[in-house]
Parts: sequence; structure tokens; C-alpha cells
Amino acid sequence: QSALTQPRSVSGSPGQSVTISCTGTSSDVGRYDYVSWYQQHPGRAPKFIIYDVTKRPSGVPDRFSGTKSGNTASLTISGLQAEDEADYYCSSYGGGYTFVVFGGGTKLTVL
Amino acid sequence: QVQLQESGPGLVKPSQTLSLTCTVSGGSISSGFHYWSWIRQPAGKGLEYIGRVYSSGSTDYNPSLKSRVTISLDTSKNQFSLNLNSVTAADTAVYFCARVQADNRAYDYWGQGTLVTVSS
Repeated sequence: QSALTQPRSVSGSPGQSVTISCTGTSSDVGRYDYVSWYQQHPGRAPKFIIYDVTKRPSGVPDRFSGTKSGNTASLTISGLQAEDEADYYCSSYGGGYTFVVFGGGTKLTVL
Repeated sequence: QVQLQESGPGLVKPSQTLSLTCTVSGGSISSGFHYWSWIRQPAGKGLEYIGRVYSSGSTDYNPSLKSRVTISLDTSKNQFSLNLNSVTAADTAVYFCARVQADNRAYDYWGQGTLVTVSS
């Protein structure tokens, strides 16, 4: 099962919005609404911020939102803050006995 | 609050077996609502799925590691373990354990990670 494709880096200024894409195939992202997103600060464990494409776990600010269109899922962070600077990873269920695959990760820089 | 904590040697010699344990608190690994997974991350690189175990003991592994990996449960201690044999320098990474929701495959709780270096 191939990894999901994410841009290596994105950037934005405080207060702006940025969107990170996550492209899979018709067998994973396109077929199932089981896309999750994770935020990872340097030296820290990943933190679960979006699940089921659009849902936020308790405690995650509503500045973080997820969508999906076809084989591509997207994470949008609005009202960028310095603390949002981190690496972001997507994951998707691929069906059957295959399991979750991760995207390659996107480094978000807050200018 | 569910917490996961990895433990094990930080240094393993080439060709030997890497063994790590994840201790789970705040929830039972026998619940049936979750999988229990290992993920690793080489320095400066992305996350790599290693494998997972279900409460029944059934397992699934990354095909690229399948011939070298074993993941198992110890329900009496509320722990699950990773064994990776015949290690090389390429296996040097931070190893995370994580809980995975069985219905949507989201990794909702993670351990802090432990660095394992393969070197003689």
C-alpha cells in the first residue's frame, strides 16, 4: 500500500489560513471517510487533531478543519498562530486487511 | 486519561533483536474497541507504520518489515510488545506505540516515543 502524498512544506503569516493536501487513491482516501490528521512538534509525539475527515477531538481548536474531495483530503488551519508551526501528517484506512498508511508529512512554517 | 509509555534498550547491536514494551494505563488493551500499534520515525523523516495487534491477538504488519517483526499482547500486565530481529543501522529511529480506534483507524493516543540506535 503506497504512502499518501503531501506537499513537503507550506507557509503562512500569523492570522492567515493555510491548506495542506493529502492525495491518495480510490482505494483509500477516495473510498473511505476514515482520514485522520496529526500535528507533530519537534521532539514530540504526534497529536491527533482530525478524524473521520472532518471531526475534531475534544480540545482541538476550531481553527483546524478537514475536508475531502475525491481522492484528496485537506487540512485547513485558519487564523495561523506561531504555535501552529509543526509537521502535519495525514493517514487513511485502505480497506480489508490492509491498514492505515501515513502521508509523508508537511512542514508548516509560520512566517 | 489513557496513557502509553514505551520502554526498552536504547542501543541494540547490528544483527540482534530490538525489543520494546508499551505499558498502557487508563484503559484496558482487552477492550475490543481498539488496536494497539507500533510506528517508527527515523531522524528527520516521516512516520512509518510497523504493525498492530488486536485484543484477540491477531496481528497485521507492514509488508516491508513483516519477515522480521512480531507484535504481541500481555493482557495480565496491560502491555504490548514489539520484537524486530536482524536489525541494521536503517532500523535506527524513534519508536512510538499508539492506540488505534477500531472503527475509524484513527491513532488517538500516543506514547512519548523512545529512541533506539542500532550500532556496534
